[in-house]
Amino acid sequence: TQLLEQSPQFLSIQEGENLTVYCNSSSVFSSLQWYRQEPGEGPVLLVTVVTGGEVKKLKRLTFQFGDARKDSSLHITAAQPGDTGLYLCAGAGVEQETSGSRLTFGEGTQLTVNP
Amino acid sequence: KAGVTQTPRYLIKTRGQQVTLSCSPISGHRSVSWYQQTPGQGLQFLFEYFSETQRNKGNFPGRFSGRQFSNSRSEMNVSTLELGDSALYLCASSFRPHYEQYFGPGTRLTVT
Repeated sequence: TQLLEQSPQFLSIQEGENLTVYCNSSSVFSSLQWYRQEPGEGPVLLVTVVTGGEVKKLKRLTFQFGDARKDSSLHITAAQPGDTGLYLCAGAGVEQETSGSRLTFGEGTQLTVNP
Repeated sequence: KAGVTQTPRYLIKTRGQQVTLSCSPISGHRSVSWYQQTPGQGLQFLFEYFSETQRNKGNFPGRFSGRQFSNSRSEMNVSTLELGDSALYLCASSFRPHYEQYFGPGTRLTVT
C-alpha cells in the first residue's frame, strides 16, 4: 500500500510570510499532483510534476519533485489571504496496470493566511 | 469547456436506505474515478471506470458499486447506508487513464 505523509497538518501565518509544505513517501510515484480545496468544493488541480528533480513555478508557488520521485514540496512566497485553503498532494502509482488512475492522497495541509 | 458536474450536491438519507450519485465528466474525457473524503480518513479511492469497464477498485465493501455509460457519465450506488458513509463523494474525470484528473464539486451525503 502506498502512503503519502504530508506536513504540517495545520499552518497559520501572516500575510507576506513564506511557507513550505512537504509530501513524503517510501514509495516511488510516476507523477505527483498538487491540489487546493476550498470548503464545500472539490480539489482544484494546481500542478503535476513527473520527472525526478523537476521544479515548476506558478506565480508565487514553487513545486519540486524529489530526485527519487518519492517526495515533493510546495513553497509559497509572500502568502496572501487568497491562498487560504486545504492543500493536498496526490501520487500516481508506478505500476500503472494495477494502480490505474488511482491517486494516493496525503492528509492535507490546512493553510490560513491572516491579513 | 464545462467542468465536471455532480448531482445532487447535497443529500440526506436514513440508515439502511440506498443512494445513487451521478457524475458527468468534462466533454471528451472518458475516464471517471470516484473518491470518498472524510475528516478522519481524507480522500480514499473508490473505483475507476474507462470505456464502461471498471479498471480498478479501492478497499471498500461491496455495498459500494458503480457503473459508466456509453456517454462516459458515471453513477455510484451505496446500498444499506451506514452512519459511517456520511462523507463528501468526489468524482474526477480525465481524458483517459493515467492522465491528469479534474474533480467535480462533490456530493455531500449525510446519513442519519
